[in-house]
Amino acid sequence: SQQGEEDPQALSIQEGENATMNCSYKTSINNLQWYRQNSGRGLVHLILIRSNEREKHSGRLRVTLDTSKKSSSLLITASRAADTASYFCAASSGTYKYIFGTGTRLKVLA
Amino acid sequence: EAGVTQFPSHSVIEKGQTVTLRCDPISGHDNLYWYRRVMGKEIKFLLHFVKESKQDESGMPNNRFLAERTGGTYSTLKVQPAELEDSGVYFCASSQGEYQPQHFGDGTRLSIL
Repeated sequence: SQQGEEDPQALSIQEGENATMNCSYKTSINNLQWYRQNSGRGLVHLILIRSNEREKHSGRLRVTLDTSKKSSSLLITASRAADTASYFCAASSGTYKYIFGTGTRLKVLA
Repeated sequence: EAGVTQFPSHSVIEKGQTVTLRCDPISGHDNLYWYRRVMGKEIKFLLHFVKESKQDESGMPNNRFLAERTGGTYSTLKVQPAELEDSGVYFCASSQGEYQPQHFGDGTRLSIL
């Protein structure tokens, strides 16, 4: 069965607004990571949050993790047109084997 | 530092033909991974190398797929013979250690006609 399902599948917002994406997973994890993919490019690592952490910040990014609900959220504040991309969560049970979701396509309108 | 590079960026072949994808990891990264994303679906793990050894190939779809990493540097993924369902984007990633973030290449978009 699939893990790491992102919600929503697509999101369109105006520049300056905040964007929130959610990810759910099915089994116990050791850590969860968020990646960004610009069209035609590879995945860029954004942030890693460990299972014993509840919240983590990196610049305009804020990630939360709720292991009781098996879910995580990625918040991008004050979005910019350059944030337009697909965002993926990747769950890891402690090994190299990442379980990715189908991604959220974010479009930030200037 | 050069990132993970993959070649070709795009390959279009006919069903039944053979295609070989190449991945050059970041220098010094012993761990190399292959993933695949079939259109509209999630990115799925294919296999993992530590240096030249295959640690885990549980994600390989079938025996038409062969991955190698001779000398523990670059890796190749051969599909022979290619089938229509093999179309998708094949990503390669590398990391220094197993538990460190994986750095991805831009992927090879494979189209089987």
